[in-house]
Amino acid sequence: GENVEQHPSTLSVQEGDSAVIKCTYSDSASNYFPWYKQELGKGPQLIIDIRSNVGEKKDQRIAVTLNKTAKHFSLHITETQPEDSAVYFCAAVGGSYIPTFGRGTSLIVHP
Amino acid sequence: NAGVTQTPKFQVLKTGQSMTLQCAQDMNHEYMSWYRQDPGMGLRLIHYSVGAGITDQGEVPNGYNVSRSTTEDFPLRLLSAAPSQTSVYFCASLQGGGGYTFGSGTRLTVV
Repeated sequence: GENVEQHPSTLSVQEGDSAVIKCTYSDSASNYFPWYKQELGKGPQLIIDIRSNVGEKKDQRIAVTLNKTAKHFSLHITETQPEDSAVYFCAAVGGSYIPTFGRGTSLIVHP
Repeated sequence: NAGVTQTPKFQVLKTGQSMTLQCAQDMNHEYMSWYRQDPGMGLRLIHYSVGAGITDQGEVPNGYNVSRSTTEDFPLRLLSAAPSQTSVYFCASLQGGGGYTFGSGTRLTVV
């Protein structure tokens, strides 16, 4: 089955810095890669996604890149703000439509 | 508001008791899933359903039952609660090819 590795497990940055979270996947059949943000006490929320026919996607301060050859994808957050502090999960999805999640990255943005 | 509704939000059970965690979605999504979230373990899939009348086991199904009699509802039953089932439980739904919409979670403590 699919295996998703996510790094780092914890990331601490100063407000205004950039943050990068990286994930690798094992199944070349995976073709959809969503990212979720989980704030304290809440359920995860989809923030951005990318499909295998696209190399990069941006939405304001967040962007996701995908390298199909290397089987890795990354989340980039620029100009971080304290409200970006949360746990972020990556996932890989193939034909079954059921995601395989990474273990999560706790992002802490210090004011 | 459209989305995934989970009840209850909090529950304390005694070892050996049974209970049902409720999940309902009003988006006419085909797929519904139950996850448990434990510190350092990420999101682990318990059971999932690809449509009314169809369910399947995920990564950690032991001790849990599900049924899907309607598109909207996907209850999770704990047959005989154990302390190891203390966790936060999330229900999620998706339409094939898209990302999950998660509920707000049920925090369960088994004493």
